[in-house]
Amino acid sequence: QVQLQESGPGLVKPSQTLSLICTVSGGSISSDSYYWSWIRQPAGKGLEWIGRIYTSGSTNYNPSLKSRVTISVDTSKNQFSLKLSSVTAADTAVYYCASTTMVRGVITKSFDYWGQGTLVNVSS
Amino acid sequence: SYELTQPPSVSVSPGQTASITCSGDTLGDKYACWYQQKPGQSPVLVIYQDIKRPSGIPERFSGSNSGNTATLTISGTQAMDEADYYCQAWDSSSVVFGGGTKLTVL
Repeated sequence: QVQLQESGPGLVKPSQTLSLICTVSGGSISSDSYYWSWIRQPAGKGLEWIGRIYTSGSTNYNPSLKSRVTISVDTSKNQFSLKLSSVTAADTAVYYCASTTMVRGVITKSFDYWGQGTLVNVSS
Repeated sequence: SYELTQPPSVSVSPGQTASITCSGDTLGDKYACWYQQKPGQSPVLVIYQDIKRPSGIPERFSGSNSGNTATLTISGTQAMDEADYYCQAWDSSSVVFGGGTKLTVL
């Protein structure tokens, strides 16, 4: 079973770049059986998908965040990462990494496994 | 952009059936899934591909999806089912969540 763990600074200053890492265990990040995503949730609010990456390196991003987001994979460390530039207070949220599974070549189109989440505050 | 609409809150008595709806344009043509989230915890997938239950999810959770509406049904609702529930769908190359529904068991 895949396990995911987010890590990164809990405090980022406005206008700077938020950087988070998701470490994957119980599965290979290079496997063609998974998509890897970032999702966030402001306090007391709903879930917002940020973007995803496939083993091939292909990415898809939320159109509302696309200009500020980069998701990449480090196969040597079995990790994938999120960079969100030019942050403001509106980017304060719990950030989750999550996986989507391919079953018999068909993507489930759901997030099967989630990390525990990491709170990022944007404040000076 | 694609949107999914959920009622903000649903109340149910213990042992009764709770139904939570999720509406979106031609949602029935896409796969819908549902997550349960309790305070301070990560979301947990309870229904995927409209009707399938992941391993470990009780049989009282079921789903349907047709037309413009997906529905999560909890039969014999228990106090432990009190949580926020989110629907989600993939729209072309993007992913959309509903706004969430707070289920109160009282």
